[in-house]
Amino acid sequence: SYELTQPPSVSVSPGQTASITCSGDKLGHKYVCWYQQRPGQSPMLVIYQDTKRPSGIPERFSGSNSGNTATLTISGTQAMDEADYYCQAWDSSTAVFGTGTKLTVL
Amino acid sequence: QITLKESGPTLVKPTQTLTLTCTFSGFSLSTSGVGVGWIRQPPGAALEWLALIYWDDDERYSPSLKSRLTITKDTSKNQVVLTMTNMDPVDTATYYCAHLSSVILVDDYYYYYMNIWGKGTTVTVSS
Repeated sequence: SYELTQPPSVSVSPGQTASITCSGDKLGHKYVCWYQQRPGQSPMLVIYQDTKRPSGIPERFSGSNSGNTATLTISGTQAMDEADYYCQAWDSSTAVFGTGTKLTVL
Repeated sequence: QITLKESGPTLVKPTQTLTLTCTFSGFSLSTSGVGVGWIRQPPGAALEWLALIYWDDDERYSPSLKSRLTITKDTSKNQVVLTMTNMDPVDTATYYCAHLSSVILVDDYYYYYMNIWGKGTTVTVSS
């Protein structure tokens, strides 16, 4: 089965840039979504189709996808961005989620 | 405004069948390019996709759970129902339903993404 691997944790200082990676075989050939999940809340879509932001998502969130790795980049990270982040792609018409990354803003 | 709400039992016994209902508003599941999916999250663990149903009645299931899952829709009631048989304590989790929106790509291929999620419902499997 298809697997998406993320680093368990990423730390960033407020105002700095955070990068969260998602790795999978030939992932660049698929479209990737990113979801943010704050503690005790439901997941929220922050990036879809590799690079697109839903309405209401701040411009500091951006995405890229090439080769075997997709990346979620958060520029000017704020305390409110501290959350778990999950990537997701489709493989043979089934959805696959990444292992998840806990972003700590300290 | 699209909203979804999950409902069902909070406690089920091992070997029982779980039935969850997703009641939604703000869209119709008969509109092209729309879907509803189910995702679960065990305590302290990652998201796991379970199943989804599209506007055209196409159903998709997680390969690892396919034998235990059934997803159906009732367009007139704006509901999607997920049943999971032979429940086990490892199935203890928060279960979410989500609205899938889409972008039409070349060759009329739909690319779907889960843009609105419900608050989830917690299910514990224990005797």
